[in-house]
Amino acid sequence: QVQLVQSGAEVKKPGASVKVSCKASGYTFTSYYMHWVRQAPGQGLEWLGVIYPSDGATSYAQQFQGRVTMTRDTSTSTVYMELSSLRSEDTAVFYCARRGGNSGFDYWGQGTLVTVSS
Amino acid sequence: EIVLTQSPGTLSLSPGERATLSCRASQSVSSRYLAWYQQKPGQAPRLLIYGASSRATGIPDRFSGSGSGTDFTLTISRLEPEDFAVYYCQQYSSSPFTFGQGTRLEIK
Repeated sequence: QVQLVQSGAEVKKPGASVKVSCKASGYTFTSYYMHWVRQAPGQGLEWLGVIYPSDGATSYAQQFQGRVTMTRDTSTSTVYMELSSLRSEDTAVFYCARRGGNSGFDYWGQGTLVTVSS
Repeated sequence: EIVLTQSPGTLSLSPGERATLSCRASQSVSSRYLAWYQQKPGQAPRLLIYGASSRATGIPDRFSGSGSGTDFTLTISRLEPEDFAVYYCQQYSSSPFTFGQGTRLEIK
């Protein structure tokens, strides 16, 4: 069965960087785009960007350009999302989500809480 | 950027009633790339509907989606207790892949 397992919660200071991992299993890792979505406490869903694991191509939301980097390791079927220059407003749960072709985001990771606090 | 506006913000209904949730786009969205998600507290979103009207695997047939262009609707025909949650629409037609702000469906 398809599973996306994310790394554990992080606490970071303002100005630091965080790197969240998402390990995929149960399907051909290189055949599906992987997206990252975040959700601030009590707020809605915000799309950060996408990576295509086959070639590593990425596309980021404009508001995160220059601060976010998505990478992948095909040997371990893992994608990574690094967000730099953290500020308190970046406190959120970060999700990885697989895009199932034309069928939307069909599988999601369990979420990783990133807390930014001095 | 395509902005999705959901209404109402909160919907108060009783089990057994019919729920109708709306999602309006700031510009036309291909119906092939409009999805609905359900999210319960402390959980990741779950895909309900994709392509505006196709149910995802395992989704009960009381959930249905419709619409085209800029107006889309999620209907829950007879509410079950487990349906009370927050619902989001999303367009994945053009980057950035935006979400609506959500509709909270609460028990009356």
